Amino acid sequence: EPEVTQTPSHQVTQMGQEVILRCVPISNHLYFYWYRQILGQKVEFLVSFYNNEISEKSEIFDDQFSVERPDGSNFTLKIRSTKLEDSAMYFCASSESAGAFYEQYFGPGTRLTVT
Amino acid sequence: KNEVEQSPQNLTAQEGEFITINCSYSVGISALHWLQQHPGGGIVSLFMLSSGKKKHGRLIATINIQEKHSSLHITASHPRDSAVYICAVSGSDFGNEKLTFGTGTRLTIIP
Repeated sequence: EPEVTQTPSHQVTQMGQEVILRCVPISNHLYFYWYRQILGQKVEFLVSFYNNEISEKSEIFDDQFSVERPDGSNFTLKIRSTKLEDSAMYFCASSESAGAFYEQYFGPGTRLTVT
Repeated sequence: KNEVEQSPQNLTAQEGEFITINCSYSVGISALHWLQQHPGGGIVSLFMLSSGKKKHGRLIATINIQEKHSSLHITASHPRDSAVYICAVSGSDFGNEKLTFGTGTRLTIIP
């Protein structure tokens, strides 16, 4: 069964460093998302991406964050200068198309630890 | 902004018991999702529903759009059902597909 994959599974970085989290969505999916979950808190929406541009972003998704689909398979989240409060589990998700009635499929997550 | 509330926050039950987890939301939605999160952190989609009821194996999900309420039931619960169950909703406008999540219900099934 097709699945969303994410790399790395765990990333440790120092404050102020840039990190890139990678996702490979399901191959025929067109709509992509990043969510994050700070330890002990609820999952929060960061950004959605469709047709090679950001569809929607949350207040969390400030200028330190960017997303890119550099080729036909990868979808990346970059944090330019990490802060301690960026430590969280980051989930990528994809869906077949735009619209609330399409199921979202989640990757296993990348645990980001900022020291 | 939609507020999604789940109850209970924690639930411990004996193997075989019938489990009910509740979810309520504050603003009209297009769809409601039930998700399962295992200790390793990964999230698996269980159901997506916009009306009525869906069943998959021992899991049943219902939604009442008028009351803005959904329930997830597990029949004949088993220790492998132990996980965090999360309710999430997607908005009522096209282009507003992002999910808004509840805080989750931690379910523990004791053998």
